[in-house]
Amino acid sequence: NAGVTQTPKFQVLKTGQSMTLQCAQDMNHNSMYWYRQDPGMGLRLIYYSASEGTTDKGEVPNGYNVSRLNKREFSLRLESAAPSQTSVYFCASHRRGETQYFGPGTRLLVL
Amino acid sequence: QKEVEQDPGPLSVPEGAIVSLNCTYSNSAFQYFMWYRQYSRKGPELLMYTYSSGNKEDGRFTAQVDKSSKYISLFIRDSQPSDSATYLCAMTSANQAGTALIFGKGTTLSVSS
Repeated sequence: NAGVTQTPKFQVLKTGQSMTLQCAQDMNHNSMYWYRQDPGMGLRLIYYSASEGTTDKGEVPNGYNVSRLNKREFSLRLESAAPSQTSVYFCASHRRGETQYFGPGTRLLVL
Repeated sequence: QKEVEQDPGPLSVPEGAIVSLNCTYSNSAFQYFMWYRQYSRKGPELLMYTYSSGNKEDGRFTAQVDKSSKYISLFIRDSQPSDSATYLCAMTSANQAGTALIFGKGTTLSVSS
């Protein structure tokens, strides 16, 4: 039981490049989330998926898109990366009645 | 005013000390309260999860919720160097699909041996 896994662990991009961050969970949770963590800002919600087939914007969705591929997988895409998207990205999953469980994070540097 | 306020520290204590970490909040709709521990370059790890006002104890950790004062605390007894981490409080109004957690900015704790 790996919990929540994320790939890659670390990525460097140039401004304007695109990439997809991958997240998978093996806990049979319905809901999945993407957060970003920045110094002095705490964790902020980018997008979430309440259940397979649905996605919704969070607090800071601009510049991102998401795909809920199936119940296990939820990806985050940066179509044209900007230096302001330099951050640590965390995926989380959740089942009603429990709290959210987080992955190990992806550290992204946009030059 | 931020929804959740948390003193970022840093907080430095000697091994064996009792540590008190605190958060205040402004939204009276918050009903579920969590404490996460985050080691450097790792993801947040759930420590405590409470719903009602009062105390919840788990080993050396005690979570306290005072909804009337909109104040939550985490106490660590007999602190160890392995407790050195950033502690994040989090809360939400409903424990259902799609409800985001609102986080404090985290308090960095250092326990010296």
